[in-house]
Amino acid sequence: GAVVSQHPSRVICKSGTSVKIECRSLDFQATTMFWYRQFPKKSLMLMATSNEGSKATYEQGVEKDKFLINHASLTLSTLTVTSAHPEDSSFYICSAAPLVGTDTQYFGPGTRLTVL
Amino acid sequence: KNEVEQSPQNLTAQEGEFITINCSYSVGISALHWLQQHPGGGIVSLFMLSSGKKKHGRLIATINIQEKHSSLHITASHPRDSAVYICAVKLTGTASKLTFGTGTRLQVTL
Repeated sequence: GAVVSQHPSRVICKSGTSVKIECRSLDFQATTMFWYRQFPKKSLMLMATSNEGSKATYEQGVEKDKFLINHASLTLSTLTVTSAHPEDSSFYICSAAPLVGTDTQYFGPGTRLTVL
Repeated sequence: KNEVEQSPQNLTAQEGEFITINCSYSVGISALHWLQQHPGGGIVSLFMLSSGKKKHGRLIATINIQEKHSSLHITASHPRDSAVYICAVKLTGTASKLTFGTGTRLQVTL
């Protein structure tokens, strides 16, 4: 089946630093990628929808300047958490949709961010 | 009220038992996904349904569009099935965006 990777799988950083998380579709081209955040024992919360070559669409309440998303190619989207604070500590998951109009999504393994 | 409701929230079963997890939704959808999330966090897509029934190994998923209800069944359950099972729907007219249920935490014991 289709594979989506995330890097890094876990990261610990100091408060005030920026952290970049990569999401790659390894064996297919993804016109759309999604970024989710998950708090402990809670369901996934969609943060933003990323379309290749255009600006991301952010969900209500998600700060665009805080969570920078770049979808520069059909196989790579990046999420940068800028000036991270302890409250940004969470599990971040991406998913990728291979074709326009399809309902299929493939999920990455997630990145656990801990901000000290 | 959430657009996607799952039941039960938590489920404990003994190895070998037949398990059913339910998902009800209150909106028009074009597809429904069943996902599995293991303790490490990674998510695996089990099924995507728009009608009828699908089977993969010991897993069976059904959907009734008229009743806005889907079930995930696990036959001959095993401890390795222990995970959180999440129902997610693609709302009609949305571009691949999913709405998630709160998940069902399954623990299968020996």
